[in-house]
Amino acid sequence: AQRVTQPEKLLSVFKGAPVELKCNYSYSGSPELFWYVQYSRQRLQLLLRHISRESIKGFTADLNKGETSFHLKKPFAQEEDSAMYYCALGVNTGRRALTFGSGTRLQVQP
Amino acid sequence: KAGVTQTPRYLIKTRGQQVTLSCSPISGHRSVSWYQQTPGQGLQFLFEYFSETQRNKGNFPGRFSGRQFSNSRSEMNVSTLELGDSALYLCASSVDGLSYEQYFGPGTRLTVT
Repeated sequence: AQRVTQPEKLLSVFKGAPVELKCNYSYSGSPELFWYVQYSRQRLQLLLRHISRESIKGFTADLNKGETSFHLKKPFAQEEDSAMYYCALGVNTGRRALTFGSGTRLQVQP
Repeated sequence: KAGVTQTPRYLIKTRGQQVTLSCSPISGHRSVSWYQQTPGQGLQFLFEYFSETQRNKGNFPGRFSGRQFSNSRSEMNVSTLELGDSALYLCASSVDGLSYEQYFGPGTRLTVT
């Protein structure tokens, strides 16, 4: 079965420091990977998806199939980036559901 | 477009009761998925509906059920509530269910006492 691992429950950085939120997945086929973000008192929202290779709010994520990773990166953290981040995996098993990691709370201190 | 809406936002029930939660997807979205979010288990997939048919189901007991109406609105029902059913229940919609890109509602916070 597919699995998503986010090893850090909490990541605390200072404003302006680089950020890397780790995500590893287990799936042998061609996955679709996403990062979702949940700001305080807001709903879960899509941040970015690997197929579009886009940068949203300064965040990027590259799919590394060899290492089965999809780490989220930002060169300079801002206080407004403080939130809960979830990595999610979609696989083509006929079951259109996302498998979520346990989430990493990012705290950006002033 | 209006986002995904869920009602009620908060609910308190006692053990043994049943509960029905409602979800209205984004206009034009035909797929609705339900997730349970708890501190211990995180986000877990319950089931997905498309065109009034349940297409996918997660590993939850039969006490959890759902349905979808012709206007794509969906309801989920939990019967014989247990303390462990206390959770945030999230609904997510997508255009056609072919994409994994889903848009989430604010959730219904269910507390079972």
